[in-house]
Amino acid sequence: SQQGEEDPQALSIQEGENATMNCSYKTSINNLQWYRQNSGRGLVHLILIRSNEREKHSGRLRVTLDTSKKSSSLLITASRAADTASYFCATDRSGANNLFFGTGTRLTVIP
Amino acid sequence: DADVTQTPRNRITKTGKRIMLECSQTKGHDRMYWYRQDPGLGLRLIYYSFDVKDINKGEISDGYSVSRQAQAKFSLSLESAIPNQTALYFCATGTGMPTGELFFGEGSRLTVL
Repeated sequence: SQQGEEDPQALSIQEGENATMNCSYKTSINNLQWYRQNSGRGLVHLILIRSNEREKHSGRLRVTLDTSKKSSSLLITASRAADTASYFCATDRSGANNLFFGTGTRLTVIP
Repeated sequence: DADVTQTPRNRITKTGKRIMLECSQTKGHDRMYWYRQDPGLGLRLIYYSFDVKDINKGEISDGYSVSRQAQAKFSLSLESAIPNQTALYFCATGTGMPTGELFFGEGSRLTVL
């Protein structure tokens, strides 16, 4: 079964707007990661947030983690057409030593 | 050259055929993984290996087998392919405990007719 569920499943915005994607998970975790996938390509790591962290930034990306609610959000600011891709959260579940991926959010940024 | 290389990139085969997907990496990582991606289901773990003597089943190992020939090589086999194994398969490598960043290959698209 999937560990993470992203919301929304699909998101369409205008270039320059911000995009927010959410991820919920079910069990305790060591860390949570976000990946990007261009259509049919391999996944690329974006950012990792540890269970004792609440917020992390990387360029135009901002990730938050609320372990009490078992949820995370990914914010992409000032979106660009090149940000069009699918975004997946992945959790390193405590004791599992593996990553469990969610179902992904398909982001379309309209020029 | 890519750090994680998968071959073949595309394969069409028939039900009952044996198929091998190969993965090699130049990152020097001990950990290697095989994931399967289906539309709407995200990625699901098939098998993983933490070193050449360590092989572990993932969520969906039935119908699959793997071989870790060397630290840099991890192959996935479908002994008798069936149509519901049609999917995009990804190899990934990583290091560290807890699990850190994974590095993915470009994927192998398999179609079983």
